Amino acid sequence: QLNLQESGPGLVKPSETLSLTCSVSGDAINSANYYWGWIRLAPGKGLEWIGSVSHTGVPSYNPSLRLRQTISVDTSKNQFSLKMTSVTAAHTAVYYCVRHGAFPVFYYYGLDVWGPGTTVTVSS
Amino acid sequence: TVVTQEPSVTVSPGETVTLTCNSDTGAVTGGHSTNWFQRKPGQAPRALIYSATRTYSWTPARFSGSLVGGKAALTVSDVRPEDEADYYCLLYYSSVLTFGGGTKLTVL
Repeated sequence: QLNLQESGPGLVKPSETLSLTCSVSGDAINSANYYWGWIRLAPGKGLEWIGSVSHTGVPSYNPSLRLRQTISVDTSKNQFSLKMTSVTAAHTAVYYCVRHGAFPVFYYYGLDVWGPGTTVTVSS
Repeated sequence: TVVTQEPSVTVSPGETVTLTCNSDTGAVTGGHSTNWFQRKPGQAPRALIYSATRTYSWTPARFSGSLVGGKAALTVSDVRPEDEADYYCLLYYSSVLTFGGGTKLTVL
């Protein structure tokens, strides 16, 4: 059974860089059929897709967001990561790592696995 | 793309309810690979439906998805109190994933 687990600081100061890591267990991250992504849920708002990365390290980002994000993958550690620079209070949210079908084959797999989420608060 | 859902819906136990998902760019089609998720307070979302109509092995049989009148729809039959939750649709198009604003389903 595939499990995802987010890790990272729960509190970040404004203007600093937020780094989150998702550890994947129960399956290898280097499958061509899947992408690995980040989704956030800000207080009082709905779910937002931040972006995803393929097992070869090719990222895709939400064009509607300007979060200065970078998503990368480390297949040797079976992990993928999210970095956001110059954070503000608008970055305060629960961040989820997820698995979904690779975009060429998204139809066949959907977005099926979520991590439990990690709460990030941006405050001085 | 802006994806819209009913902000809130109230239903009585045992009834059937249909939630919808609409795109401002036109009709929702099979090409959008619509996904539906259930999220309860304090929990991570759970996938229910993918590719508009397909269910996962863990999806309760009373949940079904469809495409109707240019919209995606999630139907919950024989609603139970434990179905009270937020429901989100997700549309895929051109390597971009867009969530709807969510529907708060209240079971009274």
